[in-house]
Amino acid sequence: SQQGEEDPQALSIQEGENATMNCSYKTSINNLQWYRQNSGRGLVHLILIRSNEREKHSGRLRVTLDTSKKSSSLLITASRAADTASYFCARTGANNLFFGTGTRLTVIP
Amino acid sequence: DVKVTQSSRYLVKRTGEKVFLECVQDMDHENMFWYRQDPGLGLRLIYFSYDVKMKEKGDIPEGYSVSREKKERFSLILESASTNQTSMYLCASSYFYRTGEDGYTFGSGTRLTVV
Repeated sequence: SQQGEEDPQALSIQEGENATMNCSYKTSINNLQWYRQNSGRGLVHLILIRSNEREKHSGRLRVTLDTSKKSSSLLITASRAADTASYFCARTGANNLFFGTGTRLTVIP
Repeated sequence: DVKVTQSSRYLVKRTGEKVFLECVQDMDHENMFWYRQDPGLGLRLIYFSYDVKMKEKGDIPEGYSVSREKKERFSLILESASTNQTSMYLCASSYFYRTGEDGYTFGSGTRLTVV
């Protein structure tokens, strides 16, 4: 499969805690993206990290990339109940994206 | 804001029917995509298009066809709907042939049930 794999499949934390989600992939990449999906809705692009970058920040989001391990992580700091959603990593192929199966994050108020 | 609009949020169709799912984007994006999303399987690419009248098969094109007669519109066609095509269908678009900083913009999805 060309899809990535997110880990864990599900994560439940208390509001205010940090949430870390991991993504592994099998082939080389140009870049890796993270998306968020609220229940029953479309995906929203969160952040893109290029293969020559190791870390990137956007607000409360921090993404790291380790190309030697073919893995990436998404950290959400100071989580809020509104962060409850599914999070997907996506690896860029030749001209389309290959998505992982997602991590379901639940933030308990 | 970039918008990708899918014509229906929910659809119920009968086995054997021909089904059209419509997607329209308003930002002059070159690329458009159709995915289906199923529990435990994530998003799987059905077809994509990088220009008018151009189409490329994705990972699971069987049972589907597409049409792109205008740049802003990308239609997914189920020639003869079957129950195993019950799923959430997501349309997406992007500016670049190779995805740039914008990433993909997704529609809200169409939940199709085939009975």
